[in-house]
Amino acid sequence: EVQLVESGGGLVQPGRSLRLSCAASGFTFDDYAMHWVRQAPGKGLEWVSGISWNSGRTGYADSVKGRFTISRDNAKNSLYLQMNSLRAEDTALYYCAKGAYSSTWLIAFDIWGQGTMVTVSS
Amino acid sequence: DIVMTQSPDSLAVSLGERATINCKSSQSVLYSSNNKNYLAWYQQKPGQPPKLLIYWASTRESGVPDRFSGSGSGTDFTLTISSLQAEDVAVYYCQQYYTTIFTFGPGTKVDIK
Repeated sequence: EVQLVESGGGLVQPGRSLRLSCAASGFTFDDYAMHWVRQAPGKGLEWVSGISWNSGRTGYADSVKGRFTISRDNAKNSLYLQMNSLRAEDTALYYCAKGAYSSTWLIAFDIWGQGTMVTVSS
Repeated sequence: DIVMTQSPDSLAVSLGERATINCKSSQSVLYSSNNKNYLAWYQQKPGQPPKLLIYWASTRESGVPDRFSGSGSGTDFTLTISSLQAEDVAVYYCQQYYTTIFTFGPGTKVDIK
């Protein structure tokens, strides 16, 4: 079964850091681009960041550029999001999502995890 | 960045009736080199992650009922639910993947009338 399981969320003070992880299983992880998408409570979806299958290409939303860093470890079938200088407006459920086609950057997201909640508050 | 808008914000449709959701992009998402529209539709039910319904504007994802269909090209797109079922109550999002900033529309909430 294809599965994505996020972890690492929690309550953190403004200005502090947090690292999210996403464990993938059931597919050849290093063939696919991966993404982080977030959803603030009661709000819509916001793409945060993405990384290509070989880490050769990354992208960030303007709202997180310079503060967040995406990475992956294909040997561990894992995706990460290092979040620094966190702000209250980063409070959201963070989803990990998989690109639908292998070796394709510009493609829809076909598999999503259940998400991990990040709350930034003093 | 490409801005995605959707209309209406919400709609209520009787069971068995048609539901139509519109999505508009601030610039074309049609790649002339392959004639594909880089546009997807997702369904999100309460407490669940989004589910991919449609990609390339009109290609139904495997396992998605054929009452869901997508149409449109360039900047204007439509998701149609031909005969609304109770399990279709959800928020529907369009997304462009034409550029690296993969923007989503604000969502359209579909309810039963």
